[in-house]
Amino acid sequence: SAVISQKPSRDICQRGTSLTIQCQVDSQVTMMFWYRQQPGQSLTLIATANQGSEATYESGFVIDKFPISRPNLTFSTLTVSNMSPEDSSIYLCSVSGRMNTEAFFGQGTRLTVV
Amino acid sequence: SQELEQSPQSLIVQEGKNLTINCTSSKTLYGLYWYKQKYGEGLIFLMMLQKGGEEKSHEKITAKLDEKKQQSSLHITASQPSHAGIYLCGADIPGNQFYFGTGTSLTVIP
Repeated sequence: SAVISQKPSRDICQRGTSLTIQCQVDSQVTMMFWYRQQPGQSLTLIATANQGSEATYESGFVIDKFPISRPNLTFSTLTVSNMSPEDSSIYLCSVSGRMNTEAFFGQGTRLTVV
Repeated sequence: SQELEQSPQSLIVQEGKNLTINCTSSKTLYGLYWYKQKYGEGLIFLMMLQKGGEEKSHEKITAKLDEKKQQSSLHITASQPSHAGIYLCGADIPGNQFYFGTGTSLTVIP
C-alpha cells in the first residue's frame, strides 16, 4: 500500500496570488492524478502526471493556470495560479499503485479564494 | 484519524455475486459522493446523495444514505468484470469540511 501526504489541508488566499499544493508518496508510483471539486459539483480530473513527461491536461484545464511538477516518482505539486474566487474548490491528488488494481488518495486541500 | 471510514479496503468476488461497500462518518453529512476509478484511469463521478434515506441507482449499482445521514452503502447486484475498479466515497461535512474515504479495490473474477 501507499500513504499520501497532501499539504496544505486547507488555505484561504487572496485573489491574484498562487498556491502550490504538494503530494508526497511514501513509495514510488507511476501515475499521479490531480482533481478539483468545485462547490456543489463532483470531482473533475485536472491532469495526469507521469514522471519524466509533461502532464496531460483534461479539456478545460491549461498548464498556465495549473502548472504541475513531477520531479520524481514520489512527489508532485499542483499550482493554482492567479487565483480568483472561482478557484475555490477542493483539490485532491491520487496515485495508482504498482498494480493497476490499487489506488491511493490524499486527504484533499480545501482552497478558499477571497 | 480518518474522518470517513470506508470498508472493506479490498474485495474479490465471483462474477454474478452481490457485494456492498460502506462509508461511515461520526458526523451528519451534508452530502455523500461515490466515485469509481477504472484501472489505469482517473476517478469518475457515480452519484451523490443528500437526503436521509435517499437511494439512487446507476447500472446495477445502488447507493443509499441512511436516515441519520452518517452512513452510505454502495451495493452492486450480479457483479460483472466491468464493475472492477477502485470505489471512493467523499463527504461534505458541517464546518466547511470535505473528506474522502480510503478507497475500496474491487476485483471480479469471471
